[in-house]
Amino acid sequence: DIQLTQSPSFLSAFVGDRVTITCRASQGIGSYLAWYQQKPGKAPKLLIYAASTLQSGVPSRFSGSGSGTEFTLTISSLQPEDFAAYYCQQLNTFPLTFGGGTNLEIK
Amino acid sequence: QLQLQESGPGLVKPSETLSLTCSVSGASIITEDYYWGWIRQSPGKGLEWIGSVYYSGTTYYNLSLKSRVTFFVDTSKKQFSLRLSSVTAADTAVYYCARHQASMFRGATNWFDPWGQGTLVTVSS
Repeated sequence: DIQLTQSPSFLSAFVGDRVTITCRASQGIGSYLAWYQQKPGKAPKLLIYAASTLQSGVPSRFSGSGSGTEFTLTISSLQPEDFAAYYCQQLNTFPLTFGGGTNLEIK
Repeated sequence: QLQLQESGPGLVKPSETLSLTCSVSGASIITEDYYWGWIRQSPGKGLEWIGSVYYSGTTYYNLSLKSRVTFFVDTSKKQFSLRLSSVTAADTAVYYCARHQASMFRGATNWFDPWGQGTLVTVSS
């Protein structure tokens, strides 16, 4: 199975900050990666697929990049509604697997 | 607007079978472009893909669970179902159903969108 390692696991930031979350795959997966946002008590919401394609309706302050084994999710200017957990998921190989998550908290 | 809703018992006894149904509204379940998937989330194991089923009955499993998992599709009711046998406390989790992108779209496939709200299943005697 492809293992996805996210860093950091926890991140504190201020509203307006630029933050970056990293997802590393245990083997190359091309651009086959998605990012999700999850708020407490809610289901994950798709933000980005194919490493960098923004899902319809997702604010442009979210962006994704990377290929192969290293990927990043960047939020250019944090808004209050962005404080949540973020997960990556590899789209390349069954079984589909997810990263362990990054909890983004208000500082 | 496509919506998915999980239903089923919130409490299952150890060694018994967990049964959940996902009802789809706002779109047809008969589509060449999507599978219908199950994902669970527990504090210990994070997000775990259980498997996905096509409207025709073709299935894809996480091999770690395959021996205990069965999927069903009822196209007339626009529902798909999960059965997980011989459950233990390790199967306690929030279970989500989701639409699983099957066809290549803008260079990728295999993401989940949208998800149901999730249902907590506790395995306990």
